[in-house]
Amino acid sequence: AQKITQTQPGMFVQEKEAVTLDCTYDTSDPSYGLFWYKQPSSGEMIFLIYQGSYDQQNATEGRYSLNFQKARKSANLVISASQLGDSAMYFCAMRDPGSGAGSYQLTFGKGTKLSVIP
Amino acid sequence: GAVVSQHPSRVICKSGTSVKIECRSLDFQATTMFWYRQFPKQSLMLMATSNEGSKATYEQGVEKDKFLINHASLTLSTLTVTSAHPEDSSFYICSAHVGNEKLFFGSGTQLSVL
Repeated sequence: AQKITQTQPGMFVQEKEAVTLDCTYDTSDPSYGLFWYKQPSSGEMIFLIYQGSYDQQNATEGRYSLNFQKARKSANLVISASQLGDSAMYFCAMRDPGSGAGSYQLTFGKGTKLSVIP
Repeated sequence: GAVVSQHPSRVICKSGTSVKIECRSLDFQATTMFWYRQFPKQSLMLMATSNEGSKATYEQGVEKDKFLINHASLTLSTLTVTSAHPEDSSFYICSAHVGNEKLFFGSGTQLSVL
């Protein structure tokens, strides 16, 4: 069974500073994908970044980067130059093709609530 | 980019009534869509996988007769909460994938059953 762990229920960061949100995962399948989503208070899930297990380089998308350490099974999200609009819940999720027919279903971590302080 | 539209965004209903939630892929075809449920301050939990032209696959513990899923076309999946009760009050959200790397979500539906 696959598992996603986000150990930080809440994080605070000063505006314009960088912040790292932790995520560790557990899977026995060598092929998997890792996602980060942002969920503001409105409830929508906003796709931020994706990392495939065979990707050689860490994924980056604008101010978002994923610190992928495969041996440690960690996929931390780094947000640079934090903005007030970054305040939201952040979920790490994994797609495990080994899960069978529903290979595009995601397993989510419990989330981290990020608060950006002006 | 790919967009998933979900409607309604909020619904309040009386106990015992049924509520239908729609999930549409606007600029792509989705043979598979996913329905999740999220309780306050908790993570998303997969309820079922909606397959175009065939029966949905439900996760363990999810009542298929209570949460009816229909995926009649490549762009539309519906979730009907039948005979809703207050304990069904939750945030329901759908998703669809584009290739291997992009999984997009609808905007979610907040269901409140009185």
